[in-house]
Amino acid sequence: SAVISQKPSRDICQRGTSLTIQCQVDSQVTMMFWYRQQPGQSLTLIATANQGSEATYESGFVIDKFPISRPNLTFSTLTVSNMSPEDSSIYLCSVPRPGGVNTEAFFGQGTRLTVV
Amino acid sequence: QKEVEQNSGPLSVPEGAIASLNCTYSDRGSQSFFWYRQYSGKSPELIMFIYSNGDKEDGRFTAQLNKASQYVSLLIRDSQPSDSATYLCAVNGAGGSYIPTFGRGTSLIVHP
Repeated sequence: SAVISQKPSRDICQRGTSLTIQCQVDSQVTMMFWYRQQPGQSLTLIATANQGSEATYESGFVIDKFPISRPNLTFSTLTVSNMSPEDSSIYLCSVPRPGGVNTEAFFGQGTRLTVV
Repeated sequence: QKEVEQNSGPLSVPEGAIASLNCTYSDRGSQSFFWYRQYSGKSPELIMFIYSNGDKEDGRFTAQLNKASQYVSLLIRDSQPSDSATYLCAVNGAGGSYIPTFGRGTSLIVHP
């Protein structure tokens, strides 16, 4: 299994500001995923964070809005930039089981973001 | 585009009954199938995974997979109020992708 420490757990931010979310994994993993979950909705993949290369963004998400860092195999950050109330959501990082493929996903505790 | 479909519910069952949760997926090449439970305000946690056609049982939970029909289900026997949560179906492995695709989840309410 993998244990993921995600922080902050929640924040209330002013519009126009930025928030950086951190995820630390207790094992080395090749891929880390960043999701957004809006109220009553499922998980929407924002991007895949790859160590040593740029993140791969899904349709509708751009690097200028959601810059991602992946400095090593156990850590990643997601920044939500120039926030608006529409960015209010839960943000989750996730990794597959270390050493496995097509395996189950482990999640951080989530960051509940409210933009006012 | 890969899709995973679930009825959003809510599915309401009495305590002690069997809850049946269903999921269909669009990509026939999918290889791995997962059920996650998500309590309100919490992150998803794995309940069951299944890779082969048929049934897989773990305690009160049974996952069923029918690849020909592109259908996955989760049965919860002797449902308890503590089972009340949203259940997410996830699928991956199609086309060599390791990125899971999640359904929107089914809300289950178990009432005493």
